[in-house]
Amino acid sequence: QKEVEQDPGPLSVPEGAIVSLNCTYSNSAFQYFMWYRQYSRKGPELLMYTYSSGNKEDGRFTAQVDKSSKYISLFIRDSQPSDSATYLCAMSGEYSGAGSYQLTFGKGTKLSVIP
Amino acid sequence: EAGVAQSPRYKIIEKRQSVAFWCNPISGHATLYWYQQILGQGPKLLIQFQNNGVVDDSQLPKDRFSAERLKGVDSTLKIQPAKLEDSAVYLCASSLGTRNGYTFGSGTRLTVV
Repeated sequence: QKEVEQDPGPLSVPEGAIVSLNCTYSNSAFQYFMWYRQYSRKGPELLMYTYSSGNKEDGRFTAQVDKSSKYISLFIRDSQPSDSATYLCAMSGEYSGAGSYQLTFGKGTKLSVIP
Repeated sequence: EAGVAQSPRYKIIEKRQSVAFWCNPISGHATLYWYQQILGQGPKLLIQFQNNGVVDDSQLPKDRFSAERLKGVDSTLKIQPAKLEDSAVYLCASSLGTRNGYTFGSGTRLTVV
């Protein structure tokens, strides 16, 4: 069993739809949960960051973490064609030392928003 | 603020050849990471530097991969000799060591034929 599981899609939705992306994980030590967006031929860019369980909202984006179920989600409201990208979940435990930490990524879900 | 710079953007080599990638992190970022992203996969950590010292290289295939970070700034990642399965995007990231993520470069896309 991989540490982080993410359905690679692809996922295709009409413009304006609500998008739901999710990941499951097996490592109970994960405390920090992130969503990255990666456009084609670009590096990942941080979209959302949450610590432990709970919800966090930023504009059209909402991140949810349920540590009891080892399940995290990203919701995109009023999706736009510019949201078309690959969405990667990433997780980390406590600091690995020297003031830094390492990320374990899911495979990524490729999203297409159709005008 | 300038981002993480990587070069070259693309590289095609034959198997058993050697190749080197370069990374210039964001100024002042003490922590630098190299990740390997195989097509259809998430990035996988290869090596982590704190200033010019290695923090973790447990997932670096040391028989063929090497990396250094001179003077705690720029870094190079080398593969010698390359194998077909090394075809991937090599991403460099840097961080202040805060808990809210890194800044990634655009990566170097390596194709081994």
